[in-house]
Amino acid sequence: ETGVTQSPTHLIKTRGQQVTLRCSSQSGHNTVSWYQQALGQGPQFIFQYYREEENGRGNFPPRFSGLQFPNYSSELNVNALELDDSALYLCASKITGQETQYFGPGTRLLVL
Amino acid sequence: GESVGLHLPTLSVQEGDNSIINCAYSNSASDYFIWYKQESGKGPQFIIDIRSNMDKRQGQRVTVLLNKTVKHLSLQIAATQPGDSAVYFCAESLFYGGSQGNLIFGKGTKLSVKP
Repeated sequence: ETGVTQSPTHLIKTRGQQVTLRCSSQSGHNTVSWYQQALGQGPQFIFQYYREEENGRGNFPPRFSGLQFPNYSSELNVNALELDDSALYLCASKITGQETQYFGPGTRLLVL
Repeated sequence: GESVGLHLPTLSVQEGDNSIINCAYSNSASDYFIWYKQESGKGPQFIIDIRSNMDKRQGQRVTVLLNKTVKHLSLQIAATQPGDSAVYFCAESLFYGGSQGNLIFGKGTKLSVKP
């Protein structure tokens, strides 16, 4: 186990709704990244947070937003859910200045 | 080969044999590479990484080889065990702005180990 935890494990929403996913990083890890993994695909980078600010973003629309808290935990918010948002959402943490990212177990989101 | 949608490349090996999983990366400027193992229903698990100033790195039962000339990465697993059955992803990243950037993942290879 990596020490990265995510909640909830599974979630079902309907199109147009909003969702918040949560991540607690491994102890001492101050940088958190979020990835979206569609079925049968590799994870795709959404954004990264360091010092409570977004410091890198992938090709995702503004309805994907996030927060990082002083204890380094993080949230991913998705507004106006679409069917294609159905995926496994992964959180990864690392220590700034080091390369290795450690992933949590993910949250499986299904949008109906 | 390339995968489309749900059809991942699959490697099937006999228990005890060595496995070689290959990956072509996209950016010649990438300077950090990493292999992850992902079991069904779980998040990616770190296996081994390598920086671009190296061409080989060994871990416990695993070896990563990097060929920058042809932008190719491989993961070798010695004495493959049933517990090695999973999907394996390679990922690359680029150091910029004072920190290592986000990971760019390949499509993955499914390893099946026959007892």
